[in-house]
Amino acid sequence: KAGVTQTPRYLIKTRGQQVTLSCSPISGHRSVSWYQQTPGQGLQFLFEYFSETQRNKGNFPGRFSGRQFSNSRSEMNVSTLELGDSALYLCASSLLSGQGDEKLFFGSGTQLSVL
Amino acid sequence: GEDVEQSLFLSVREGDSSVINCTYTDSSSTYLYWYKQEPGAGLQLLTYIFSNMDMKQDQRLTVLLNKKDKHLSLRIADTQTGDSAIYFCAGNSGYALNFGKGTSLLVTP
Repeated sequence: KAGVTQTPRYLIKTRGQQVTLSCSPISGHRSVSWYQQTPGQGLQFLFEYFSETQRNKGNFPGRFSGRQFSNSRSEMNVSTLELGDSALYLCASSLLSGQGDEKLFFGSGTQLSVL
Repeated sequence: GEDVEQSLFLSVREGDSSVINCTYTDSSSTYLYWYKQEPGAGLQLLTYIFSNMDMKQDQRLTVLLNKKDKHLSLRIADTQTGDSAIYFCAGNSGYALNFGKGTSLLVTP
């Protein structure tokens, strides 16, 4: 069974640009979550989608958005990039959502560098 | 949200046991997890424990949970150089996980 696939693996952008990251969950998984990982802040929750609906959002500005498609694939978008958005963006999928035993399976991430 | 604290660094010799500790402030988490991250990779789920359990063993891994003290630990028996990585504990909070900052484990020959 293929794991969680994130594309692209690396991205270099400049301030003010926007970026779209893509995530394909494990087949059959309907919940997709996004996390931002930085050396200073660690892993921070961005948002979670289930059946194309955003069910929870972390404490990030509105420049960070996402969506989920009917095939459970998800994209996240960051507009008006800032230097502080440089991070590893991790996508995770899970089979059940909101049931408590959330076993999240993570992709390898997209490393975003903002210059 | 939930604050999760971990020590930042641990060094052990190959063949010894490693114990990675974690404390959390919010007792509403029903599940607590341990993830492993190797350089350049995402997070790999190692094991998890339900909050009404005290202990869970899975091959070389033993998880201990002291709910009264809000303390979670991960013991790795017979630690190998391939176990060198960053280990994260996390607790569920709604649809999200709250992660600690991670413990960097270095296994020396």
